[in-house]
Amino acid sequence: AQSVTQPDIHITVSEGASLELRCNYSYGATPYLFWYVQSPGQGLQLLLKYFSGDTLVQGIKGFEAEFKRSQSSFNLRKPSVHWSDAAEYFCAVGSGGYQKVTFGTGTKLQVIP
Amino acid sequence: GAGVSQSPSNKVTEKGKDVELRCDPISGHTALYWYRQRLGQGLEFLIYFQGNSAPDKSGLPSDRFSAERTGESVSTLTIQRTQQEDSAVYLCASSFVRTSGFNEQFFGPGTRLTVL
Repeated sequence: AQSVTQPDIHITVSEGASLELRCNYSYGATPYLFWYVQSPGQGLQLLLKYFSGDTLVQGIKGFEAEFKRSQSSFNLRKPSVHWSDAAEYFCAVGSGGYQKVTFGTGTKLQVIP
Repeated sequence: GAGVSQSPSNKVTEKGKDVELRCDPISGHTALYWYRQRLGQGLEFLIYFQGNSAPDKSGLPSDRFSAERTGESVSTLTIQRTQQEDSAVYLCASSFVRTSGFNEQFFGPGTRLTVL
C-alpha cells in the first residue's frame, strides 16, 4: 500500500529565509507525487506535481520540488519565504488505476517577521 | 469558471442525528472523491465515484456512512446517527479523467462538521 510521511509537523521560518519541507513516500512503482497547500478556511490548492521526466519540478508561487528515487523523497523548497506562505502543506502520492491519492499528515508553516 | 462547491460550509449537529453533506463538482468532471480531515491530521480517503458508480468505498469508516452520486454530477455524503468522532472537515474533489497519465484533483472548500 502506498503511504506518505511528512516528518515535520510544524516549521517556523523567518520571512525571506529559505524553506525546505520534507516528504518521503512508499510506493512500489513510479509514483505520481504532489504538493498541496491549504490556507486557513480554504480548500487544497495544487502547488506542483511530478509524473515523469525532469526530477526538479517548478510550481506556482515560486515553489519547487525535487524527486529523488533513491531516497524515496519529494521535498518542497522555496528560496525566499513570504508571510503569505504561512499555511499547511500536504505531500501526496497517487497510484494508477482509478487514481487514488494518499496524503501525508501535513506540515504547518509559520512565517515570522 | 466555477470550482468545486460544497454545502453547507459549516454544520453543527447533535450526537445521534443524521447529516447530509453536498458536493457539486466541476462541470464535466466524471471522477469525484470524498475525504475526511480530522483536526491536526492529513486527509483520509473515504470514497471514489466514476460517473455514478462507486468502485471504491473502502475508506468509509462504518456502515453509518454512505454516499451517492446522481447525473454524474452532484454527490451527497450521508452520516447516520452521528458520533462525536465524526467531527471533521469533509472535503470533496473532482477530476477530469483522461485515458492516460494522472488527473489533478480539484478540491472544494470543505464542510466543517461538529457533533456535539
